[in-house]
Amino acid sequence: EADIYQTPRYLVIGTGKKITLECSQTMGHDKMYWYQQDPGMELHLIHYSYGVNSTEKGDLSSESTVSRIRTEHFPLTLESARPSHTSQYLCASSVDRVTEAFFGQGTRLTVV
Amino acid sequence: ILNVEQSPQSLHVQEGDSTNFTCSFPSSNFYALHWYRWETAKSPEALFVMTLNGDEKKKGRISATLNTKEGYSYLYIKGSQPEDSATYLCACSMDSNYQLIWGAGTKLIIKP
Repeated sequence: EADIYQTPRYLVIGTGKKITLECSQTMGHDKMYWYQQDPGMELHLIHYSYGVNSTEKGDLSSESTVSRIRTEHFPLTLESARPSHTSQYLCASSVDRVTEAFFGQGTRLTVV
Repeated sequence: ILNVEQSPQSLHVQEGDSTNFTCSFPSSNFYALHWYRWETAKSPEALFVMTLNGDEKKKGRISATLNTKEGYSYLYIKGSQPEDSATYLCACSMDSNYQLIWGAGTKLIIKP
């Protein structure tokens, strides 16, 4: 079983609130990723990291920010949540792009 | 814009029957092809990662083939069982960048 954890699993929050989605892995992987996924649609990469103090934006424009201060921890923050942020957010990690990615169970975010 | 296409979008298969579905990807600058299984309320789980043209991989009743020259991969399930019901995702990475580009998945439903 993969050792990558996301919290919370579900979150309903009001517009304008600041939220942080947590992601931690215990596998020592350098590469970590945040994906956004709407029902029936592709996973879209919103942020990734090659290692500590390295973060990059993915192909999907996002108003969120990430940090990578420790190898095992890759939190995603929304400074001011909006209804358009309602989606599922998946965190993943891997050794490199030719090895499998391990996924957390996701956070289902609803902004009302 | 690089696209990964999966077909069909959904598939109903009688228990015991065999089935297959397709992932199409850009053939130029190909680097690796991933297959994942995503069961409801669980995390996506890696099935295969393939890099070489003509590669064939097998895990139990599930196997996959790869044709990098024409840009497609097939996933086969032999003797479908109810536990095979899931969404099957493929993702491709290109030589030019690190990111995985995902298809929208094939939702497989096994009818008892």
